[in-house]
Amino acid sequence: ETAVFQTPNYHVTQVGNEVSFNCKQTLGHDTMYWYKQDSKKLLKIMFSYNNKQLIVNETVPRRFSPQSSDKAHLNLRIKSVEPEDSAVYLCASSFWGGDAEQFFGPGTRLTVL
Amino acid sequence: QQKVQQSPESLIVPEGGMASLNCTSSDRNVDYFWWYRQHSGKSPKMLMSIFSNGEKEEGRFTVHLNKASLHTSLHIRDSQPSDSALYLCAADPSGSWQLIFGSGTQLTVMP
Repeated sequence: ETAVFQTPNYHVTQVGNEVSFNCKQTLGHDTMYWYKQDSKKLLKIMFSYNNKQLIVNETVPRRFSPQSSDKAHLNLRIKSVEPEDSAVYLCASSFWGGDAEQFFGPGTRLTVL
Repeated sequence: QQKVQQSPESLIVPEGGMASLNCTSSDRNVDYFWWYRQHSGKSPKMLMSIFSNGEKEEGRFTVHLNKASLHTSLHIRDSQPSDSALYLCAADPSGSWQLIFGSGTQLTVMP
C-alpha cells in the first residue's frame, strides 16, 4: 500500500515531557511536511523538508524539531511540551513544487495535561 | 503575512441542493489554488486544484478562479450527505515553499 503513515495515533503526556512522532511515506515523494491543526481546525505549516533542505516556519517554537533519516521519513520531536501544543499533528508528502498535490497522513492527536 | 479567507464559516444545504464556497487570497503572487476536503476524524484529501483563470468541472464539483481578484469558489451540485465535511482552501504563493490554508467552511448536507 502506498500512502503516508503516522504513529502513534494518539498520545497523552504531561507538561514538560518530551515526545516524538513518526512519519513515513511510500509514495516516492521527495518532500515531506509537518502541519499542526488546532481545535478550530486551522491548519498551519510547521516544517518542509526537501532533499536535505529544511525550511522552518518562523512562528514555530524552538522546542519543536524535525528529524529525517531519508526522504521517506520525517519525524517530529517536541522537547518540553506545553498545554498549547495540544493539537493534531499531520504529516504530508508531495513532489517538490507548488503544483504538486500534498498527501496527508492520518494524524497524531496530542493531548498535554 | 499572506492570508487565505474563506466564507461562509459554515453552510447547511438540503440533500440535492447546491453548495457554494468562497476563498480569497491576500497575496497577489499566488500561482495555485487547492481545495481539500476533510471528513470528521480524517485527514485532508485533495478535492480539486485550479491554476488558470476560468472554470474546471469534475463530476458534481466545479471550481472557478478569477486571478485578477484572487478569488476561487467551489460549487457542489446535487449535494449528498456524504459531502458533509470541512472544506479547506489553500493557496501556493509564487516561489514559496508552503501552502497557506484558510480556516475552512464546514458543510452540512441535510437528508
